[in-house]
Amino acid sequence: RKEVEQDPGPFNVPEGATVAFNCTYSNSASQSFFWYRQDCRKEPKLLMSVYSSGNEDGRFTAQLNRASQYISLLIRDSKLSDSATYLCVVNLNTGGFKTIFGAGTRLFVKA
Amino acid sequence: GAVVSQHPSRVICKSGTSVKIECRSLDFQATTMFWYRQFPKKSLMLMATSNEGSKATYEQGVEKDKFLINHASLTLSTLTVTSAHPEDSSFYICSARESTGANEKLFFGSGTQLSVL
Repeated sequence: RKEVEQDPGPFNVPEGATVAFNCTYSNSASQSFFWYRQDCRKEPKLLMSVYSSGNEDGRFTAQLNRASQYISLLIRDSKLSDSATYLCVVNLNTGGFKTIFGAGTRLFVKA
Repeated sequence: GAVVSQHPSRVICKSGTSVKIECRSLDFQATTMFWYRQFPKKSLMLMATSNEGSKATYEQGVEKDKFLINHASLTLSTLTVTSAHPEDSSFYICSARESTGANEKLFFGSGTQLSVL
């Protein structure tokens, strides 16, 4: 089982749609959680951190469920510019800091 | 926000030559930096963890003698691909860890596209 698993996608949605991405992680010692966005041949950029209390940044909402080891990202009112790959990222600190990346979910938003 | 500079952004080299990639944290000190490679439409694969003042920690399957890592200062790590071959062609990305109290964040360099002819 992969340490971090995401919906493989791709997700093809029209502008204005709401889209949800899911992510599960296997190591219960995981400490911190993030969603990154990566455009083609570019570096990943931090989209938002994820907390158990949930956090929202404009059209983006992230949620963490530690009991289920599950992370989600909701994008409302999708824009063409949201088209990218979304990476679920988990930090571990088990005798050494380690960051685990999910394989990413590709999103295409179409007019 | 924190900035990580990676250079060069693109390099084309002949097979058998060595290529050095630099990764600098511009406005914070990074005791730990990471090196990744990414193939088209694939996820980032961690190659090694670069520790300032000590030897890098390599992931399983990554050749230490092939991918030399040096982290001589708190703001600079370098990755040298030695005796490059066409199969080493890939997108290489570095990241630096910024720790502020209880929060840890990763900031990425802009990546280096390596093409070995």
